[in-house]
Amino acid sequence: DTGVSQNPRHKITKRGQNVTFRCDPISEHNRLYWYRQTLGQGPEFLTYFQNEAQLEKSRLLSDRFSAERPKGSFSTLEIQRTEQGDSAMYLCASSFNSGYEQYFGPGTRLTVT
Amino acid sequence: SQQGEEDPQALSIQEGENATMNCSYKTSINNLQWYRQNSGRGLVHLILIRSNEREKHSGRLRVTLDTSKKSSSLLITASRAADTASYFCALGPTGGYQKVSFGIGTKLQVIP
Repeated sequence: DTGVSQNPRHKITKRGQNVTFRCDPISEHNRLYWYRQTLGQGPEFLTYFQNEAQLEKSRLLSDRFSAERPKGSFSTLEIQRTEQGDSAMYLCASSFNSGYEQYFGPGTRLTVT
Repeated sequence: SQQGEEDPQALSIQEGENATMNCSYKTSINNLQWYRQNSGRGLVHLILIRSNEREKHSGRLRVTLDTSKKSSSLLITASRAADTASYFCALGPTGGYQKVSFGIGTKLQVIP
């Protein structure tokens, strides 16, 4: 399967712990996006990469959140000192440089206890 | 930043009927997209319509855009049980920014 992959698919952590999620985009795509989705809501934009450059960040991305895409391929999203309000589905998407259609991964469901 | 508001929030129809979902927004846009999300296939792009377009078709889907009324509609014709999903309108990219803003969605149930 050459779609967007995300790992892990599920993560349960205790409040205050750090967590890191990984996203592997479709190989030809140089645009990568992170979103957060809570129950009953649509995805909320977090950040956007063009190759390895992080070009856009939402105000939702507090100081506890950091995202990287070191070689312009896979990306990681780290949440430090997790809070219960961080519990959500974290979605990654990628797209071609020339197009706007985003291809989404299956998501990582985070539960903070 | 703005997001679209879908209406209705929930819709239940019989298989074979048509389903219409609407999206309203407040500020100018360059592009409006529709996505579908179900438990089986996750979030999938359906169609993009640009601000200078009024209507687009893709298979059983028809999207319209009225920029004067700041609204869009998604019509699914001859619905199938497999169309059961949440449908989101997504605003953007706009103004050189790649950010896309999703609404809260319309939950469609197609009853076999």
